[in-house]
Amino acid sequence: DAKTTQPNSMESNEEEPVHLPCNHSTISGTDYIHWYRQLPSQGPEYVIHGLTSNVNNRMASLAIAEDRKSSTLILHRATLRDAAVYYCILRGGGTSYGKLTFGQGTILTVHP
Amino acid sequence: GAVVSQHPSRVICKSGTSVKIECRSLDFQATTMFWYRQFPKQSLMLMATSNEGSKATYEQGVEKDKFLINHASLTLSTLTVTSAHPEDSSFYICSASPGMGNEQFFGPGTRLTVL
Repeated sequence: DAKTTQPNSMESNEEEPVHLPCNHSTISGTDYIHWYRQLPSQGPEYVIHGLTSNVNNRMASLAIAEDRKSSTLILHRATLRDAAVYYCILRGGGTSYGKLTFGQGTILTVHP
Repeated sequence: GAVVSQHPSRVICKSGTSVKIECRSLDFQATTMFWYRQFPKQSLMLMATSNEGSKATYEQGVEKDKFLINHASLTLSTLTVTSAHPEDSSFYICSASPGMGNEQFFGPGTRLTVL
C-alpha cells in the first residue's frame, strides 16, 4: 500500500480554519484519498474522500494537489468537537480494494 | 449515515477464556466487514477481512486459530478471541461498507481487558 505522511500534531483556536496536510508521493493513479477522524475511545468516523478534484461536504473540504502527491483537509471553522486524531489514507484497488491502512495520523488540539 | 454497532462495548475476562465480539450493520447489508485492533496511543491495525459465506482473510502475523471470525449473515460478523491472554487486551473495532467503493462505517469499538 502507498504510504502517507502527516504531522504528528497540530493546534488550532476555536472558530479558526484548520489546514491538515498529508503527503503521499507514491500515490498511484487509482488510489483514492480518504480522511477519517477518531475521537478518544470511539471508532473512526468518515470525513471526506476524493480522487483528483477538490471536494466539499458538510464536514470539511479536501484540496488535492495537481500532481496528487499531497492533499490538505480543511476544517473551515474549528470547534472543540473537532479535536481528534485525523487519518489520511490511500484506498487502492485490486486485491486490497476496500481495505484501509491507517498511519499514525495527526492529533488536532482545539483551544477555546 | 449508515450505522454499525458492536457488542459488548466493554468486557473483562480471565486469562484462558474465550470472548466473542459481535459487529452488526444496522441499516445496510455488508458482504465484507473488517476487524481492527488498536493498542493504547497507537493507530488501528487491520486484523482480517470478514467475507459473508466464506473464510476470512487474515493479515500477516494474525493467528487465524486464535482470532476466529464468522460472517454468517449480511448484517453480522463475529470475532472470537480464543484462550485470551493479557497481551490480547486491546480496543477491537469493526467496520463495514454498503459497497466496496464507498466510505466505511466503523463500530464504536469493544474494549477487551484480560486479567
